[in-house]
Amino acid sequence: GDSVTQMEGPVTLSEEAFLTINCTYTATGYPSLFWYVQYPGEGLQLLLKATKADDKGSNKGFEATYRKETTSFHLEKGSVQVSDSAVYFCALSDPYTGNQFYFGTGTSLTVIP
Amino acid sequence: EAQVTQNPRYLITVTGKKLTVTCSQNMNHEYMSWYRQDPGLGLRQIYYSMNVEVTDKGDVPEGYKVSRKEKRNFPLILESPSPNQTSLYFCASRSSGGVTNEQFFGPGTRLTVL
Repeated sequence: GDSVTQMEGPVTLSEEAFLTINCTYTATGYPSLFWYVQYPGEGLQLLLKATKADDKGSNKGFEATYRKETTSFHLEKGSVQVSDSAVYFCALSDPYTGNQFYFGTGTSLTVIP
Repeated sequence: EAQVTQNPRYLITVTGKKLTVTCSQNMNHEYMSWYRQDPGLGLRQIYYSMNVEVTDKGDVPEGYKVSRKEKRNFPLILESPSPNQTSLYFCASRSSGGVTNEQFFGPGTRLTVL
């Protein structure tokens, strides 16, 4: 079945460091891929998405490229800020499974000044 | 403002006492869903609904019920809560227009069952 695997956390970085959070997926069809972010005490909100192979999603300095050949959608940011501290979830939506959403386990990021 | 609302935000109850967590969206979305979030397990889907009067089980439906009598509301019912249902619950909705549509999440309900 469909699934999403993302790197274990927690991740702690200094401000202005480079961030990579790995995400790989397994899907029956041709899914859309998403990164959601959860700030402390809040619900999840969409950070970025990509709907087909080689698409790059970007928002707030974060980027992720849909790589079909490696079934990956790694999240990157060139220079993190303290305000980026949150939990990040990789997710997919697969039309072959009725557009069900599948989430990874989440990666907690803490950015220290 | 487009939003998904949940009530209550926090709830402490005892084993066996029936409870309902309400969820409402104002975006005219067809698709609604309930998730629970547990440490190390991420989000797991409990139930979802493709439209009014259409509901289906997700990955962890045991011990839960839902109903979808109106498009905007999708309550989660725990008929006889148990301690293993202590968790953070999220309701979400999206348009069913396509696989690319994002889900919008409510703020969460933290449930503790003693």
